[in-house]
Amino acid sequence: GAVVSQHPSWVICKSGTSVKIECRSLDFQATTMFWYRQFPKQSLMLMATSNEGSKATYEQGVEKDKFLINHASLTLSTLTVTSAHPEDSSFYICSAPTSYSYNEQFFGPGTRLTVL
Amino acid sequence: GENVEQHPSTLSVQEGDSAVIKCTYSDSASNYFPWYKQELGKRPQLIIDIRSNVGEKKDQRIAVTLNKTAKHFSLHITETQPEDSAVYFCAASFPSGSARQLTFGSGTQLTVLP
Repeated sequence: GAVVSQHPSWVICKSGTSVKIECRSLDFQATTMFWYRQFPKQSLMLMATSNEGSKATYEQGVEKDKFLINHASLTLSTLTVTSAHPEDSSFYICSAPTSYSYNEQFFGPGTRLTVL
Repeated sequence: GENVEQHPSTLSVQEGDSAVIKCTYSDSASNYFPWYKQELGKRPQLIIDIRSNVGEKKDQRIAVTLNKTAKHFSLHITETQPEDSAVYFCAASFPSGSARQLTFGSGTQLTVLP
């Protein structure tokens, strides 16, 4: 199957700082990537759809100025949490479909963000 | 958008018994229904999926059924083992713009008691 990586796997930061999370498709090109947030004991909630060469599409209730998404290339999307606060502490997971898998999405390993 | 409901939220079974998890979806345009197993702190792992043109699919101890008319789909795990203990999520894939999005159910914590 296709491989998606994320970096870092975990990060701890102080309140008010910004954190960048990278999502890479290692063996396929991804024109679209998805960013999810998962709070403890909850489901995955889609935050935004990252599109290579165009602006990201954000889900209702997700602040685009706080969660900056840049799809810099066909293999890389980044999510920057700006001015992070403790309530932003969560598990962030990216995923990407391939051109050859029927609707299947391949997930990164996730990034655990803790804001102090 | 799509809305996926999942039941039960917790399920405990004895080792060797069967487990059934049920989901409903709202958008008739959804055409792909994956099931994921997620262990604590890990990524969701695809365990089985079904397309809308198929009513049932089986892979060893795991099976999924789909009723398009009723917008129901279910996961069946037979001969459960302790290592099946995890959180299971259903999802539905529907078109949104040029992409297809996944909407997840709320999850089921399955515990298999030895």
